Amino acid sequence: AQKITQTQPGMFVQEKEAVTLDCTYDTSDPSYGLFWYKQPSSGEMIFLIYQGSYDQQNATEGRYSLNFQKARKSANLVISASQLGDSAMYFCAMREGWDGTASKLTFGTGTRLQVTL
Amino acid sequence: EPEVTQTPSHQVTQMGQEVILRCVPISNHLYFYWYRQILGQKVEFLVSFYNNEISEKSEIFDDQFSVERPDGSNFTLKIRSTKLEDSAMYFCASSEWGGSITPRDTQYFGPGTRLTVL
Repeated sequence: AQKITQTQPGMFVQEKEAVTLDCTYDTSDPSYGLFWYKQPSSGEMIFLIYQGSYDQQNATEGRYSLNFQKARKSANLVISASQLGDSAMYFCAMREGWDGTASKLTFGTGTRLQVTL
Repeated sequence: EPEVTQTPSHQVTQMGQEVILRCVPISNHLYFYWYRQILGQKVEFLVSFYNNEISEKSEIFDDQFSVERPDGSNFTLKIRSTKLEDSAMYFCASSEWGGSITPRDTQYFGPGTRLTVL
């Protein structure tokens, strides 16, 4: 089974509108972190936002917010007031475990977002 | 703002040759990682490194791969005998902490090295 599922291969949004990118995850570990990264066409991976499994509130970072629904195992990224520069690939990722060792990120397949005028 | 740097940005090599990809993690970070992304596919974990030893490695990270932290700043990935299927973007990442379920676990990625094996 996939640990991270992103069901939207591509999304379009008009400039200044809000958009939600879906992410569901699968883990039996009670301790985990969820991350979203942006990959523009230039190729770099840019960290956007983090949500820990024990966090009571949804994470927010500027125009980015994470709609964390623990019971449904979903961690959707919401981008408000979309800008042309938001056009990129977006990856959801998860890190499992709480033991002080370096833990890998498991990535989803990504969603390509295109912002239009 | 501190960032992870990687050199070279693009490496072209012949099949069977050895390559070394270099990374300088963020200076106060203690945990280091290598990932790769084959064109158009998702990012895959290769190896994690902490306290001068490998913490975890994936099944991709076979005997042809090795990592080293030769000094206090560099972190390298060596591929001993490259294959065509090693062609990919290789990302180095670092994090301040690991396994703590806090934002300090966040892994920051370098810009990547695009490896092309001919």
